[in-house]
Amino acid sequence: AQKVTQAQTEISVVEKEDVTLDCVYETRDTTYYLFWYKQPPSGELVFLIRRNSFDEQNEISGRYSWNFQKSTSSFNFTITASQVVDSAVYFCALSEDRDDKIIFGKGTRLHILP
Amino acid sequence: DTGVSQDPRHKITKRGQNVTFRCDPISEHNRLYWYRQTLGQGPEFLTYFQNEAQLEKSRLLSDRFSAERPKGSFSTLEIQRTEQGDSAMYLCASSFAESDTQYFGPGTRLTVL
Repeated sequence: AQKVTQAQTEISVVEKEDVTLDCVYETRDTTYYLFWYKQPPSGELVFLIRRNSFDEQNEISGRYSWNFQKSTSSFNFTITASQVVDSAVYFCALSEDRDDKIIFGKGTRLHILP
Repeated sequence: DTGVSQDPRHKITKRGQNVTFRCDPISEHNRLYWYRQTLGQGPEFLTYFQNEAQLEKSRLLSDRFSAERPKGSFSTLEIQRTEQGDSAMYLCASSFAESDTQYFGPGTRLTVL
C-alpha cells in the first residue's frame, strides 16, 4: 500500500534560518513519482517539484532544494534563508506508475517569523 | 495559459440540499481529477477522467456523489442530499497525460449547515 508520512505537524523558524521538511514514503512499485506542493493561506495548491523514482539526483531551485534517498524512502525539502512569504502548509505526495491518483501526506505547517 | 478554474469558490448550503461544482481544466489537458480536503488533512482522491471517460472512483465517493465530464472539457461534481460531513474543500486538478504533473485549481469550499 502507498503511504506518505510527514512527521512534523508544525514548524516555526525565524526569518533567514534554514529549515528542512521531512517526508517518508511507502510503495511497492519500482516506478513512482514524488511531489511537493505548497498551500499558502489563500488555499490553492502550488506545484513545486516532481521526481521520478529513477532519478535520485538532488535538485536545487533558488532557495529550495530537495534530497531524494531511495535507501531510506525519503524525499526531504529544504528552504535556505527562509522568508516570511514561505509561510504555508507544505505537502509531500506520491503516485505510482500504474495508478494516476496522488496520495498526499498530512502536511507540515511552516511559520516563518519576522 | 490560464490555470485550472473552479466555480463557485465558496458555497454554503443547508443539510439535505443538492450542490454542484464546476471545474475548468487547463486547455488541452486530457486528465481531470477531483480531490477533497478536510481541515488539517492532505487532499484525498475522489475520482478522475481521461477525456470524458471516468476511469476510477474512490470509496470516498458515496452514491450521493456524481461527477461528469460530458465533452471532455469542463467537469461537474454534484453532491445530493448534503450532510454536515460533506463540509470540505473540493479541489480539481488537471494534467496533460497519465503520470504527468497535476495542477490544481483554487478549490470550492463547501459548508453544510
